Amino acid sequence: DQQVKQNSPSLSVQEGRISILNCDYTNSMFDYFLWYKKYPAEGPTFLISISSIKDKNEDGRFTVFLNKSAKHLSLHIVPSQPGDSAVYFCAASDASGSRLTFGEGTQLTVNP
Amino acid sequence: NAGVTQTPKFRVLKTGQSMTLLCAQDMNHEYMYWYRQDPGMGLRLIHYSVGEGTTAKGEVPDGYNVSRLKKQNFLLGLESAAPSQTSVYFCASSTRLAGGVDTQYFGPGTRLTVL
Repeated sequence: DQQVKQNSPSLSVQEGRISILNCDYTNSMFDYFLWYKKYPAEGPTFLISISSIKDKNEDGRFTVFLNKSAKHLSLHIVPSQPGDSAVYFCAASDASGSRLTFGEGTQLTVNP
Repeated sequence: NAGVTQTPKFRVLKTGQSMTLLCAQDMNHEYMYWYRQDPGMGLRLIHYSVGEGTTAKGEVPDGYNVSRLKKQNFLLGLESAAPSQTSVYFCASSTRLAGGVDTQYFGPGTRLTVL
């Protein structure tokens, strides 16, 4: 069963607007949530994370929101830039903090 | 500081052949991982290691073996390749953070095709 799910395979936004990427999970034992960004022919790179004791974490243009009751998290990118065009993976970990379970990924395209 | 490197970058195998993928990291990380990425399925954990000389099964371990003889290297072996193992393979490493989640650093990937 898919414990971490990203229901939107793709998202297209205009430069300067907000990008919102969504992720749902089913395992209530998950304690940490992360977002990774992946460019073609490269490995994923860490973007931002959030612990289950928080509901928001911000880093520059990137903000992650966590709604534990709904088992939902989202990544907001404001303002979006063409260089943000990549595949974004949502990932989750239990309290051990080591093993990650990834979602399917969402291809973000930011149009100039 | 090269981070995480993977060898080779591309490989084509025939069904039944064997091969070994090499992952090396120069960050002195304790933990290392092997994932496979398939279209529409994200990254799935094959095997991982929490230290030199240790290995453990991940989500999709069947058909693969691993070894961690040195802290900086993590090898993934395919004893008898099958077309279902056609995929992009990523290696990652991480170190345990106090009170927090590990941040995994990924290599550039190996694209494997099994005919």
